[in-house]
Amino acid sequence: EDQVTQSPEALRLQEGESSSLNCSYTVSGLRGLFWYRQDPGKGPEFLFTLYSAGEEKEKERLKATLTKKESFLHITAPKPEDSATYLCAVQASSSNDYKLSFGAGTTVTVRA
Amino acid sequence: ETGVTQTPRHLVMGMTNKKSLKCEQHLGHNAMYWYKQSAKKPLELMFVYNFKEQTENNSVPSRFSPECPNSSHLFLHLHTLQPEDSALYLCASSQRDRGHSEQYFGPGTRLTVT
Repeated sequence: EDQVTQSPEALRLQEGESSSLNCSYTVSGLRGLFWYRQDPGKGPEFLFTLYSAGEEKEKERLKATLTKKESFLHITAPKPEDSATYLCAVQASSSNDYKLSFGAGTTVTVRA
Repeated sequence: ETGVTQTPRHLVMGMTNKKSLKCEQHLGHNAMYWYKQSAKKPLELMFVYNFKEQTENNSVPSRFSPECPNSSHLFLHLHTLQPEDSALYLCASSQRDRGHSEQYFGPGTRLTVT
């Protein structure tokens, strides 16, 4: 069974204080690893897809990286508007239904 | 917005009521999903529809009944729910004929069962 573990559960940052979120995964062949952002009371918003170890993707202050066992989401010089819950999900290559297995998320709070 | 809409956004219902959640995707995708999100827990996949055919029922109780009349619309019919069914219900869609594809989510329906 696919497993996704995110750490830490919560992260409080000062504006401008860079940090990283971790997503460890166990999957029988990785088709893709996905990062989402979720604001309170809203649905998850797609950020990145990573397909193979060594791949990196960037969007504004966010950078996602992937190894064979984990992914990191780096937040560089965060601003208060980066406050949200960040979700990681994996899709197994063996899944005929393309279903995603999600982690519980990391809630990031950025103080001005 | 993501192109996936859900109605209603909030719903309060008693345990004996019958209600339906509606989802519509405007992205031209061919697969749609229902997820349940409870506090501090990972999203739980409930149902998957591919080309209007249900391909996954993740051991969901029969008090939840999905319906997918076409590739753009998805319903979740609710009846005789329990208080523990209170959660955020999310609909998503994707294009499944690509090798790997992201899912796009709607804003969710916040359901409270009293």
